[in-house]
Amino acid sequence: DGGITQSPKYLFRKEGQNVTLSCEQNLNHDAMYWYRQDPGQGLRLIYYSQIVNDFQKGDIAEGYSVSREKKESFPLTVTSAQKNPTAFYLCASKVGGSNQPQHFGDGTRLSIL
Amino acid sequence: EDQVTQSPEALRLQEGESSSLNCSYTVSGLRGLFWYRQDPGKGPEFLFTLYSAGEEKEKERLKATLTKKESFLHITAPKPEDSATYLCAVQANYGGSQGNLIFGKGTKLSVKP
Repeated sequence: DGGITQSPKYLFRKEGQNVTLSCEQNLNHDAMYWYRQDPGQGLRLIYYSQIVNDFQKGDIAEGYSVSREKKESFPLTVTSAQKNPTAFYLCASKVGGSNQPQHFGDGTRLSIL
Repeated sequence: EDQVTQSPEALRLQEGESSSLNCSYTVSGLRGLFWYRQDPGKGPEFLFTLYSAGEEKEKERLKATLTKKESFLHITAPKPEDSATYLCAVQANYGGSQGNLIFGKGTKLSVKP
């Protein structure tokens, strides 16, 4: 089955630690996105990538980093500079350059120890 | 400023009691409006895309409509399994749009048997 796989489902971060969230898709989509979801707020865009080896900052990129070395993979690193990382993180993908819908993975919930 | 507002924030219905969810938007040229369903602890599931005023889409008990300023998600004779948070998102028609979506905060629907 084609889809988007996010792992792990739950993740805990210690003070001063960087953590990496995985996102893999086998839909052959060019574009991939990372969002953050907090209670009572809409999804907010962290980073996005239209093609391999290229990515752009979204609305709330501070304290996060990404890479896009392969078409199917778009990992997100939450760095120690992100002071409020507790949230539900969602990865999405879509056919590039189109107005087709984005499709989402099932998210990673990150908490602070 | 581009904005998406969903109302009500929460809606409680009895099984079989039809109602509508509202998504109002202000955007500099609409490229597409998207409805998603999100279950607790899961990623959003795509429901519909609407591209132009007057367009309608249907799926089982759900019907989405679009005007120049808002969209409605009509739920006919809902069942308990329709309980979820419904998200609305718009894609603006900027020159060279990256396909980025602007999300509303969602409407949490509860359907009681």
